[in-house]
Parts: sequence; C-alpha cells; structure tokens
Amino acid sequence: QKEVEQNSGPLSVPEGAIASLNCTYSDRVSQSFFWYRQYSGKSPELIMSIYSNGDKEDGRFTAQLNKASQYVSLLIRDSQPSDSATYLCAGGGSGGGADGLTFGKGTHLIIQP
Amino acid sequence: AAGVIQSPRHLIKEKRETATLKCYPIPRHDTVYWYQQGPGQDPQFLISFYEKMQSDKGSIPDRFSAQQFSDYHSELNMSSLELGDSALYFCASSLGPGTVASKQYFGPGTRLTVT
Repeated sequence: QKEVEQNSGPLSVPEGAIASLNCTYSDRVSQSFFWYRQYSGKSPELIMSIYSNGDKEDGRFTAQLNKASQYVSLLIRDSQPSDSATYLCAGGGSGGGADGLTFGKGTHLIIQP
Repeated sequence: AAGVIQSPRHLIKEKRETATLKCYPIPRHDTVYWYQQGPGQDPQFLISFYEKMQSDKGSIPDRFSAQQFSDYHSELNMSSLELGDSALYFCASSLGPGTVASKQYFGPGTRLTVT
C-alpha cells in the first residue's frame, strides 16, 4: 500500500489564480514533509519543507500540514505558466534524518495563460 | 550555488553488462541518497549513506551495490543489467541527520538505457 497519496491530475488553473495541491499520508510515514517540483525529464527541485502543524509561507508558496487528518497541501498564489510542472509530495522516513523519502505519484499542474 | 554533480549524464548498456554511476554531493553535505525513476513513475528510494556508512535501504535490487568514499562522493554499481533497469537515476545530498528529516537536494540525474 502506497504511503503517500496524491491526485495525479491534471489540475488546470488559470494564470494569476491560486493552485491548490493536496497529499495524504499513512501512519508509517514520518512527520516531515516536502514538496518538490519536477519538469519533464528534469530532476526534482525542493520547493517547501514542513515539519509542524499549521502553515509555512515562502514567497508565492504556502505549505500546510494537518497531522490529525494526515494531510499536507501546497498553495501556489499568482500562478504563472512557468509553474506548470509535476508536483511531488514526499514524506521523510520514520527512522531519522538520513532516511529515504517516500514520494506520491505527483500531481500534474497546468497553468493556463 | 554549487549543486549535486552526477556522471555520466547518459549511459547506454546492453543486457547483462555492468554500469557505474557517480555522485558528487553539494560541498559540506555528508549524506547521499540514490533514487530510481522509471518513465511516468515517482522516484523510488534505493539506498543512502551517512559518513560512509549505509544509513537506510529501500527497494535496491541485489544486483546493485553502492558505497560512499572518504571525500563523500558515492558510486552506484549495477550488474547483470536488465531491460527494466532503464530509468533515470538521481542522487540527492543533504546535511547529516538531525531531529527531523533532512532536506534533500537532487542532482540532474543519469539516464540509463539498457538495450
């Protein structure tokens, strides 16, 4: 059973709007979560990390973590065509800081000009 | 800023051959991770090393082995290659373990094609 779940999309959002990406996780995944952006054929690029309940903002990006609901989300404000990519949600391992990440299958985001 | 370096960027091998992929972490990073990403798939964790010792093990086939050297670079050795090994192989690096999972930064990847 996959431990991190994402809606694969595609999710289509008009330029300038807010894109909302969601992710759920199982109990086995740690409480550390990451959002990566991946363009086709390129490597994952770290966008946000979040470890505690609540919101964390960085520029146009806001990550939200709700441990009670086992839910992680990423909001992208003022969406730009360059934000069109696959967004991967990842959970850190339960054994410590050097553990491998467990990725969701990713959500394909399309920003319509 | 310096990033993770991987070599080679592209590699073509035949079935049953061997391949060696190299990874040079971001300066001062002492932890490396290897991931495999098949077409249309999410990255799958293979193995990680911290201070030259294996730290965590994922879905790495027995035909694969890896190590981390004194300068913190790492090599992934793949033997008896199969068609299904064709994929993008990413190396990521981070600072050593803390109280929470470390931020991992990915290299550009090596595209392995097995024919």
